[in-house]
Amino acid sequence: AQKVTQAQTEISVVEKEDVTLDCVYETRDTTYYLFWYKQPPSGELVFLIRRNSFDEQNEISGRYSWNFQKSTSSFNFTITASQVVDSAVYFCALSGRNTGFQKLVFGTGTRLLVSP
Amino acid sequence: DAGVIQSPRHEVTEMGQEVTLRCKPISGHNSLFWYRQTMMRGLELLIYFNNNVPIDDSGMPEDRFSAKMPNASFSTLKIQPSEPRDSAVYFCASSLGSGPVYEQYFGPGTRLTVT
Repeated sequence: AQKVTQAQTEISVVEKEDVTLDCVYETRDTTYYLFWYKQPPSGELVFLIRRNSFDEQNEISGRYSWNFQKSTSSFNFTITASQVVDSAVYFCALSGRNTGFQKLVFGTGTRLLVSP
Repeated sequence: DAGVIQSPRHEVTEMGQEVTLRCKPISGHNSLFWYRQTMMRGLELLIYFNNNVPIDDSGMPEDRFSAKMPNASFSTLKIQPSEPRDSAVYFCASSLGSGPVYEQYFGPGTRLTVT
C-alpha cells in the first residue's frame, strides 16, 4: 500500500520567514515518483515539482527547495523568505510502479498562512 | 492556451437528483483523471482514462457513480441518485501522456452540494 503523511495541518509564519513543509511516504515500490502541488485560495491545483526515486539530489527553484531523503522516506519542501502569495494548501503526492505510475496518492495537505 | 475546463463550477442539488459534471481536457492530452476532494478524505482519485478508455475505476465509491469519455475532448462524471455525502469538490485533470513524467494539469473544480 502507498501512503503519504503530512503531519503539519497548518503553519503560520510572518513574511520573510523560512518555512519547511514535511512529507513522509510509504511504498513497497522500488521505483516511484514524488510530487508537490500547490492549491491557492482560488482552488485549482498547481504542479510544483516531480522527483523519481533514483534521484536524491536536492532541487532549488528560486525561493523553493526540496530535500529528498530515501533513508527517512521524506520529501520536504522549504520556502525561503516566504511571501503572502505563498499562502495556500500544499500537497505532497506519490505514484508507484505497481499502479502504473498514473495514480497519485495525496497527503492530507498543509495549509500555509503567510501574514504581512 | 486554455487549461482544463470544468462545468458547472458550482452545483447545488437535492438528494436523489441526478448530477452530471463535465470536463474538457487540454487539447492533445490523452490521459484524463477525475478526483474528489473532501475534508474527511482529502484528495482521492476516482477514475482515469488513457486514450478515452477507462483504465482504473477502483476509486469510484459505488455504483451510483459513473464516468464516460466518449471522445478525446470530453468526459462526464455522473452521480445518480445523489446523496448529501457526495458533497465535495470534484476535479478533472489531464496529462499529455501516461506515466509520471507527464504532469497532471488540474481544472478549477466543481463544487457540488447535495442537500
